[in-house]
Amino acid sequence: NAGVTQTPKFQVLKTGQSMTLQCAQDMNHEYMSWYRQDPGMGLRLIHYSVGAGITDQGEVPNGYNVSRSTTEDFPLRLLSAAPSQTSVYFCASSRDRGHYEQYFGPGTRLTVT
Amino acid sequence: EDKVVQSPLSLVVHEGDTVTLNCSYEVTNFRSLLWYKQEKKAPTFLFMLTSSGIEKKSGRLSSILDKKELFSILNITATQTGDSAVYLCAVGGADGLTFGKGTHLIIQP
Repeated sequence: NAGVTQTPKFQVLKTGQSMTLQCAQDMNHEYMSWYRQDPGMGLRLIHYSVGAGITDQGEVPNGYNVSRSTTEDFPLRLLSAAPSQTSVYFCASSRDRGHYEQYFGPGTRLTVT
Repeated sequence: EDKVVQSPLSLVVHEGDTVTLNCSYEVTNFRSLLWYKQEKKAPTFLFMLTSSGIEKKSGRLSSILDKKELFSILNITATQTGDSAVYLCAVGGADGLTFGKGTHLIIQP
């Protein structure tokens, strides 16, 4: 049982480059979300999805896009990376929006130079 | 705007001590409060609380919620070095989970 998987584990980008962080879950969870974690800031919600085809913005959505074409996958796209996006990114899922026990992926450490 | 405040932000104690971590919140349409433990990786789930006054317990860890005063505490008794971690409090509301900044707990041998 893989749970929530994320790739890559580490990534270094130059300013202006684009990339996609991958997230997949095999628990048939309806709710998926992306967080970023910065020192002293806790976890902040970037985007979330309550089901395939439905996405919405969280607290810090600027500079990021998401899509949810299947229940299993929820990729996060950085269109033009900026140093302020240097962070650790976590993907999480839960059974549905009303169930808050979220399962987290292992995280992606992103550095933008 | 939903807000979750944890205190203290950091705490250093000796093995065997008992610690109490605090979490206060202001959330629209409160639904649940959760505690997570984060070592050098992803957060792992500890407790979810939805009702006031009912203690949840798991081994040496316990937690209770006060919905009138809008806070929760996480207690760890007989601490061990393996309890060293960041403890995150999160509150579920209308927009999903809002996290506090965490309490960084260090247990010295």
